[in-house]
Amino acid sequence: GAGVSQSPSNKVTEKGKDVELRCDPISGHTALYWYRQSLGQGLEFLIYFQGNSAPDKSGLPSDRFSAERTGGSVSTLTIQRTQQEDSAVYLCASSLLGIGTQYFGPGTRLLVL
Amino acid sequence: AQKVTQAQTEISVVEKEDVTLDCVYETRDTTYYLFWYKQPPSGELVFLIRRNSFDEQNEISGRYSWNFQKSTSSFNFTITASQVVDSAVYFCALSEFRLGSQGNLIFGKGTKLSVKP
Repeated sequence: GAGVSQSPSNKVTEKGKDVELRCDPISGHTALYWYRQSLGQGLEFLIYFQGNSAPDKSGLPSDRFSAERTGGSVSTLTIQRTQQEDSAVYLCASSLLGIGTQYFGPGTRLLVL
Repeated sequence: AQKVTQAQTEISVVEKEDVTLDCVYETRDTTYYLFWYKQPPSGELVFLIRRNSFDEQNEISGRYSWNFQKSTSSFNFTITASQVVDSAVYFCALSEFRLGSQGNLIFGKGTKLSVKP
């Protein structure tokens, strides 16, 4: 079946602009995660959704970052007033249950000029 | 606090050599999962294996094998007869294993493996 998909694959934006990144998890997976991969920080957890429950936002680096998940499926990660340090690859993963194996999408490469 | 250490930043081998990637973890949990993921140059993280803390049996899958030792908190990965296609960054990761936990992955910094022909 189809894996996790993410769009766009690449995004270039100017400092101060808002961006939206989309993730479409594997069908039937209830858990969805966002991670960020950057040269300096490696792979960092950002946010976790389990079904329709309130998300765990404990990994979000600042209040400029937010995410939502509509209908327990597609998720959107929004970064407001982007900064150059937000440049990174944003990875989405989904799992059947919150403690299951996570399968990753191809990522969105964000460059903030 | 949970932590994963991959001390080898980069490894270079010649094709057909065996290579072992080290992973040491720290956790206060008595139940947890350990993972290995492969990230080829294309960038997508590919799942390789998951072990839970109750199962210390070593596992072999083709040219890949994994050695899990709770006594030393290590979960090492060996590639036998390496091939150029094995060139990638390999990540070891840890997660909690409790219903109701968020289960997010704690990653090591990764080991970049280059296999030369």
